[in-house]
Amino acid sequence: GESVGLHLPTLSVQEGDNSIINCAYSNSASDYFIWYKQESGKGPQFIIDIRSNMDKRQGQRVTVLLNKTVKHLSLQIAATQPGDSAVYFCAENPPRNTPLVFGKGTRLSVIA
Amino acid sequence: DGGITQSPKYLFRKEGQNVTLSCEQNLNHDAMYWYRQDPGQGLRLIYYSQIVNDFQKGDIAEGYSVSREKKESFPLTVTSAQKNPTAFYLCASSILAGSNQPQHFGDGTRLSIL
Repeated sequence: GESVGLHLPTLSVQEGDNSIINCAYSNSASDYFIWYKQESGKGPQFIIDIRSNMDKRQGQRVTVLLNKTVKHLSLQIAATQPGDSAVYFCAENPPRNTPLVFGKGTRLSVIA
Repeated sequence: DGGITQSPKYLFRKEGQNVTLSCEQNLNHDAMYWYRQDPGQGLRLIYYSQIVNDFQKGDIAEGYSVSREKKESFPLTVTSAQKNPTAFYLCASSILAGSNQPQHFGDGTRLSIL
């Protein structure tokens, strides 16, 4: 999930298990959402996106769920692997041609 | 390969010195962005530009300046007015700001104070 403060929330999962990372977004008018993965010392990398007219989208081993009623986004990673260890950020696209707004991030740690 | 190139990867600044971080993209994107990331934290927007010769302040623009003379390039200057410049700086680009398209990121520049 998301939190305010100096330390990122951390999710630890066993290799092979499924991971669920949550995000609360702020603007009910946002119409586009993205999940990014950031490995140590690198820039964020696009994972999957979803538009507000959908509530679920699947990629390879990843699924994004959108609940507009409660302004909640989640990323599900199936069969989590050590290479999935990273910080995951959600981002929302507010209206009126403004840049993406990023969440605080969640650190995923995979236990081999 | 199309992408975003940031240089240098590591940069050191002396007290009272201005330093410039480079960001170049060959994706033909109109919009470019600069973010600051502090350890264990999220991304904070410094400046962004939607078109050549135009740019907008983000949430933490004080102590920074930018220029956008070419579509491919969006350099960021960290001025001596920025009293706490130590951070990881990320540049990104997208087709257009707010266009329901993802931003693509470079691999960052880590700036430290000597």
